[in-house]
Amino acid sequence: AQSVAQPEDQVNVAEGNPLTVKCTYSVSGNPYLFWYVQYPNRGLQFLLKYITGDNLVKGSYGFEAEFNKSQTSFHLKKPSALVSDSALYFCAVRDSGNQGGKLIFGQGTELSVKP
Amino acid sequence: EAGVTQFPSHSVIEKGQTVTLRCDPISGHDNLYWYRRVMGKEIKFLLHFVKESKQDESGMPNNRFLAERTGGTYSTLKVQPAELEDSGVYFCASSQGRFNSPLHFGNGTRLTVT
Repeated sequence: AQSVAQPEDQVNVAEGNPLTVKCTYSVSGNPYLFWYVQYPNRGLQFLLKYITGDNLVKGSYGFEAEFNKSQTSFHLKKPSALVSDSALYFCAVRDSGNQGGKLIFGQGTELSVKP
Repeated sequence: EAGVTQFPSHSVIEKGQTVTLRCDPISGHDNLYWYRRVMGKEIKFLLHFVKESKQDESGMPNNRFLAERTGGTYSTLKVQPAELEDSGVYFCASSQGRFNSPLHFGNGTRLTVT
């Protein structure tokens, strides 16, 4: 069965510093991986995805994620954090059982960026 | 294009009452999903429609929850009778039917059962 783990409940970063939000996955076939962000009182917004191809995936708002097959990881990164990046971040893997398969989410990581 | 819309945004009901949540997916999206997040925990899958058919309802917690998608457009999720542990945020999402298609989420309905 597919699963995702986000080992950190919270990440604290100073504005301007690089940030990393960690995610590891377990899948039985090819991984289809996603990152979402949730701002307060809003729904989840899609940031980026990995399907195939380059291991470094670029997404919205300057975020990128690195797919590492040997470590089964898909960490979210940004070179220079902004206070406005403070939000809840979710990693997800797609259930490969069928084409429109559900996403399976990690428990979420709260990112706090301080000025 | 209009996004996924959910109604109501908040609902406060007493234990034993009935509540119906509504979701309008993005036009043309055959896939519709319901999820919920309870008290800061992970986002849990409830069920998945493809058009009007239930593709996967493995996440529905019990028979107090009933989801419908008549005509393959909007969907409703009814909780009857509501229990305290049903409190949480219920999210709806829709997508096109491909592996690389992300899910588009609504803003959620915050349900409080007192």
